[in-house]
Amino acid sequence: SQTIHQWPATLVQPVGSPLSLECTVEGTSNPNLYWYRQAAGRGLQLLFYSVGIGQISSEVPQNLSASRPQDRQFILSSKKLLLSDSGFYLCAWSVGQPFEAFFGQGTRLTVV
Amino acid sequence: QQPVQSPQAVILREGEDAVINCSSSKALYSVHWYRQKHGEAPVFLMILLKGGEQKGHEKISASFNEKKQQSSLYLTASQLSYSGTYFCGLGEYGNKLVFGAGTILRVKS
Repeated sequence: SQTIHQWPATLVQPVGSPLSLECTVEGTSNPNLYWYRQAAGRGLQLLFYSVGIGQISSEVPQNLSASRPQDRQFILSSKKLLLSDSGFYLCAWSVGQPFEAFFGQGTRLTVV
Repeated sequence: QQPVQSPQAVILREGEDAVINCSSSKALYSVHWYRQKHGEAPVFLMILLKGGEQKGHEKISASFNEKKQQSSLYLTASQLSYSGTYFCGLGEYGNKLVFGAGTILRVKS
């Protein structure tokens, strides 16, 4: 069966520090991968999505970036965190058509 | 572009019904519905693929009006376990999935 792993679960980082969040999917090949951010009490904002290795579509061109070095690995990065980067970051995957997306357990990031 | 959900929040008593609406200014390929409990990841409820399609999941069902570019989620005889935030997602070309702002549903005993 397919599973998605996302870590860490919680993270407290100072302003200006770098960020690296990792997401991996097991049990499937060539998944579509997504990064979403959810501010407190808000909706799911699509940040990046990828349909294959090295193929990244950016929806929010701020100080975040994403990479997909392997088929089932998706990494969200920042060189310098801002206070506004705080939120709940969710990775998700889907495969095939029609597709339903399955979410990881999320990373709660607090920038202080 | 994000789909628009309404209402933003609704409070029900157990056994009451609710409707959550989702609309888009863009043509819809598919409509996805998810429920998120506080502090948890969203969980898939159902997907509708074509205009006129209706689906059910226990006492939760949904419809998709492709012409009006709208979808509605129907919750009947609500239970305490239905509380959470409901999101509609729009599947776009290239497997892009964009969500609305969510509807907070609270069921009281």
